[in-house]
Amino acid sequence: QAGLTQPPSVSKGLRQTATLTCTGNSNNVGNQGAAWLQQHQGHPPKLLSYRNNNRPSGISERFSASRSGNTASLTITGLQPEDEADYYCSAWDSSLSAVVFGGGTKLTVL
Amino acid sequence: QVQLVESGGGVVQPGRSLRLSCAASGFTFSSYALHWVRQAPGKGLEWVAVMSYDGSNKYYADSVKGRFTISRDSSKNTLYLQLNSLRAEDTAVYHCARDLSVVVTATLDYWGQGTLVTVSS
Repeated sequence: QAGLTQPPSVSKGLRQTATLTCTGNSNNVGNQGAAWLQQHQGHPPKLLSYRNNNRPSGISERFSASRSGNTASLTITGLQPEDEADYYCSAWDSSLSAVVFGGGTKLTVL
Repeated sequence: QVQLVESGGGVVQPGRSLRLSCAASGFTFSSYALHWVRQAPGKGLEWVAVMSYDGSNKYYADSVKGRFTISRDSSKNTLYLQLNSLRAEDTAVYHCARDLSVVVTATLDYWGQGTLVTVSS
């Protein structure tokens, strides 16, 4: 099953803004949008955003998501050291009847 | 609070079977779809399977279809994953995760810590 496409790594400076992308197709991201997950080493993933820009309770407003066509984006403003983590996008693929994940982006905060 | 606790992992030889369990608490078990997601050492997330809130719908990744079976027991608030004909490439930490909704979406809002399955001779 084809997954979603994410850049393997992104590096930004402290207090800067990072934008992570996730590209799919009309059967997944372009259909129902994407969810975003954050995973720190040795921990399970944590949901950051879903249906493009809904944040679960407790998630900082520094995390915001959007979608344009078949590409979803996660923007993190005011980067902090604790934002250094792996970020994954996910979507339901209606043609595959499956959840598809992106390969993940490793965010480094310099 | 929502808790998902996996168990049943271990070291198993290729071709053998294993059953994983995920004990759920802190929410109405029968009101949510539940997923299994795995992560091979040093790799990304790979979705494995999902079962709808009432068990009427099950979906599997192509890589496990015909070998793995997802099930749930609402009387025990437990999700299961039966792993048969195991291969080396099935080696991973297996997480159970709750879907945000009764219907199957790709929004997994709570995750367990996972249980490690190692397939090796």
